[in-house]
Amino acid sequence: AQTVTQSQPEMSVQEAETVTLSCTYDTSESDYYLFWYKQPPSRQMILVIRQEAYKQQNATENRFSVNFQKAAKSFSLKISDSQLGDAAMYFCAYGWNRDDKIIFGKGTRLHILP
Amino acid sequence: NAGVTQTPKFQVLKTGQSMTLQCAQDMNHNSMYWYRQDPGMGLRLIYYSASEGTTDKGEVPNGYNVSRLNKREFSLRLESAAPSQTSVYFCASSELAGAGWVYGYTFGSGTRLTVV
Repeated sequence: AQTVTQSQPEMSVQEAETVTLSCTYDTSESDYYLFWYKQPPSRQMILVIRQEAYKQQNATENRFSVNFQKAAKSFSLKISDSQLGDAAMYFCAYGWNRDDKIIFGKGTRLHILP
Repeated sequence: NAGVTQTPKFQVLKTGQSMTLQCAQDMNHNSMYWYRQDPGMGLRLIYYSASEGTTDKGEVPNGYNVSRLNKREFSLRLESAAPSQTSVYFCASSELAGAGWVYGYTFGSGTRLTVV
């Protein structure tokens, strides 16, 4: 069965510093996508970045980038130049083509220290 | 603004009461989903609808029913609410039927439900 594991329930980072959130997943599928979602205190779920399993190049969206290690089944999120507005719960998620569903990890709460 | 609209945003129910959570999207999306979010559990899929007229169970369907009223609307019903159903409920949609796994979902702002 597919699973997504986020081993860090909470993290803190100083404003303007860089932080990396970890995510591992388990799958026997070859065709899948990985996502990071941000949930700020407003509760809204916001798609931050996505990665296609077939692409070796790591996805990047402004200050957000991923380190996708397919063999290790690892998908970490790096946030550069952390800002106060980055404080949120971050969810790693996995979608695959056998079912049109996405499964989510349990989340990492990120605190930004001024 | 275009997006996914959920109503109500907050609700308190007594054990045994029933209610329907409403969800509507105006993006002409085909697939719609209901998730629940509990502390330390992430988001878990309750039901989904790949297209108008179809619904399927997700990971935690017990105690819930759904209706895909039309392409825009996907409602979630609790027939006899229990304290274990206290949670935040999210509705989501994806543009192409069967492609939510590729593009990700657009989420509503959630409904916080408390069952006492």
